[in-house]
Amino acid sequence: AQKITQTQPGMFVQEKEAVTLDCTYDTSDPSYGLFWYKQPSSGEMIFLIYQGSYDQQNATEGRYSLNFQKARKSANLVISASQLGDSAMYFCAMREDRDDKIIFGKGTRLHILP
Amino acid sequence: ETGVTQTPRHLVMGMTNKKSLKCEQHLGHNAMYWYKQSAKKPLELMFVYSLEERVENNSVPSRFSPECPNSSHLFLHLHTLQPEDSALYLCASSRTTSGSYNEQFFGPGTRLTVL
Repeated sequence: AQKITQTQPGMFVQEKEAVTLDCTYDTSDPSYGLFWYKQPSSGEMIFLIYQGSYDQQNATEGRYSLNFQKARKSANLVISASQLGDSAMYFCAMREDRDDKIIFGKGTRLHILP
Repeated sequence: ETGVTQTPRHLVMGMTNKKSLKCEQHLGHNAMYWYKQSAKKPLELMFVYSLEERVENNSVPSRFSPECPNSSHLFLHLHTLQPEDSALYLCASSRTTSGSYNEQFFGPGTRLTVL
């Protein structure tokens, strides 16, 4: 079974609008971390935001926020006021405390339209 | 100095060639990783090194051979590859391998094409 599911292979959003990228995960480990990475066309993976399973509040980093709904096992990334430079692939990832691996979803390709 | 560097950025090789990918991290991290990113597939973890010891080998074929001479350098030696091995190979590093909060810093990747 997939541990990280990103159901949106591609999205088109008008510049300056807010964007929500979906991510659901599956784990039986009570202690885990969730990450979002951005991958521009250059190929480099850029860390955006982290949410720990025991964090009480949703993580925020500038225009990025993570809508963490633990009971639903959901960790959606919200980008406010999108910019043309936000066009990229976005990967959701999870790391379980019992494991050394980070597991990545298939990614969502985001296109910001002028 | 950029955190994680990879060379070469692009590589084209024949199936009989032998080549190596190089990764260097300038972050003082103890763990390094190789990932493979094929089109339309999730990012696949290949190898994990912690303090220069391999701690994970994710069922990778023997035609890929990693080497970690010290905690700052990681190599991936390639020989007799197949066309389906064409992909973006990403290197990453993190402070350690344990604990859920262990942000990985990625290099720019090597785009490999096997003819």
